Amino acid sequence: SQQGEEDPQALSIQEGENATMNCSYKTSINNLQWYRQNSGRGLVHLILIRSNEREKHSGRLRVTLDTSKKSSSLLITASRAADTASYFCASDSWGKLQFGAGTQVVVTP
Amino acid sequence: DAGVTQSPTHLIKTRGQQVTLRCSPKSGHDTVSWYQQALGQGPQFIFQYYEEEERQRGNFPDRFSGHQFPNYSSELNVNALLLGDSALYLCASSLRTGDRNQPQHFGDGTRLSIL
Repeated sequence: SQQGEEDPQALSIQEGENATMNCSYKTSINNLQWYRQNSGRGLVHLILIRSNEREKHSGRLRVTLDTSKKSSSLLITASRAADTASYFCASDSWGKLQFGAGTQVVVTP
Repeated sequence: DAGVTQSPTHLIKTRGQQVTLRCSPKSGHDTVSWYQQALGQGPQFIFQYYEEEERQRGNFPDRFSGHQFPNYSSELNVNALLLGDSALYLCASSLRTGDRNQPQHFGDGTRLSIL
């Protein structure tokens, strides 16, 4: 069974729009990570936010973490067609990643 | 600099058979984790190897076993295959340091189909 939940399950936007997805987790964590997966391929690491951090930026990505609510959000700004993929959050507890079911994002030109 | 490599890319087996999947970690990494990803689901943690020992294990039966070699490469073995074992098996590597906040680097996986 999945250890977390992601919302929404699917998201369809146009190029240039922002995409926001949310994640909840259940256990105490060292950090929270976000990954991207293109159709049936391996996961690509996007960003890691430590348990003592509240917000982090990397390029067009912005991640927030609220450990009191056990939740995180990922914002992708100015989306591109190449951002079409599934996005997963993973709570990291001593190297054991526990993933949500993912958000499938489709960006149309 | 080679990333995580997995072999084979695809595999077809029948129920009851045994399978071995292989993984070479990213250069400089010493820790290997294995994940199972069923279609439409997120990956689920199987186990993690460090210094040739299983360090953590997820909720998988003993039919799933592994090994890590002195060069840090790893194998995942699954015995008595069931139809439900059909999935994408992902290997991830990382470097164990005093800082527990290290990203994991994933290979492209092995697609296992059970007939």
